[in-house]
Amino acid sequence: DGGITQSPKYLFRKEGQNVTLSCEQNLNHDAMYWYRQDPGQGLRLIYYSQIVNDFQKGDIAEGYSVSREKKESFPLTVTSAQKNPTAFYLCASSIEGEGRTTGELFFGEGSRLTVL
Amino acid sequence: AQSVTQLGSHVSVSEGALVLLRCNYSSSVPPYLFWYVQYPNQGLQLLLKYTSAATLVKGINGFEAEFKKSETSFHLTKPSAHMRDAAEYFCAVRRTNAGKSTFGDGTTLTVKP
Repeated sequence: DGGITQSPKYLFRKEGQNVTLSCEQNLNHDAMYWYRQDPGQGLRLIYYSQIVNDFQKGDIAEGYSVSREKKESFPLTVTSAQKNPTAFYLCASSIEGEGRTTGELFFGEGSRLTVL
Repeated sequence: AQSVTQLGSHVSVSEGALVLLRCNYSSSVPPYLFWYVQYPNQGLQLLLKYTSAATLVKGINGFEAEFKKSETSFHLTKPSAHMRDAAEYFCAVRRTNAGKSTFGDGTTLTVKP
């Protein structure tokens, strides 16, 4: 079945450590996104990428980094510069392009990061 | 610029009662509008979407929403709530020609037996 796979589902990190969250999709979607979810704050966009080797900052990019070397993969690194990294992280993808845009997002199951 | 306001962070209904979750949006250009549902510790899944076709949109699980341009609203309704509808619901907006979706803060729906 096609879909988005995020790993790990749960992750614990000590303060000062970098951690990378994996996101892989086999939907052949052009665009991929990372959102952060905190209780009562909805989803906030961290980074997004509409094509390979290109990505843009979202609303809360500070302390995060991404890469898009392959269409299927969009890993997110939470660096030690992120002041409050404990959160639920969601990866999503969408179909984009002339005449093909549907607008809807397809989400992975999420990764819960806890900083000890 | 675009934004979404969901009125009421928590809504509680009895099983069999009408569900009404409110969403108002702002957008400088004609928008796409979406409702997503999230169950605990899971990702979001699409309930329904408005993409400038019919203003009354039907989705999965018996939900529907009506796009009202004059009121800049896209409220979600279901005639009769079921226990399995208990979840968090998010309204989202994006411009038709841009890739970023903006989400509301979410509404947690509780269904009482």
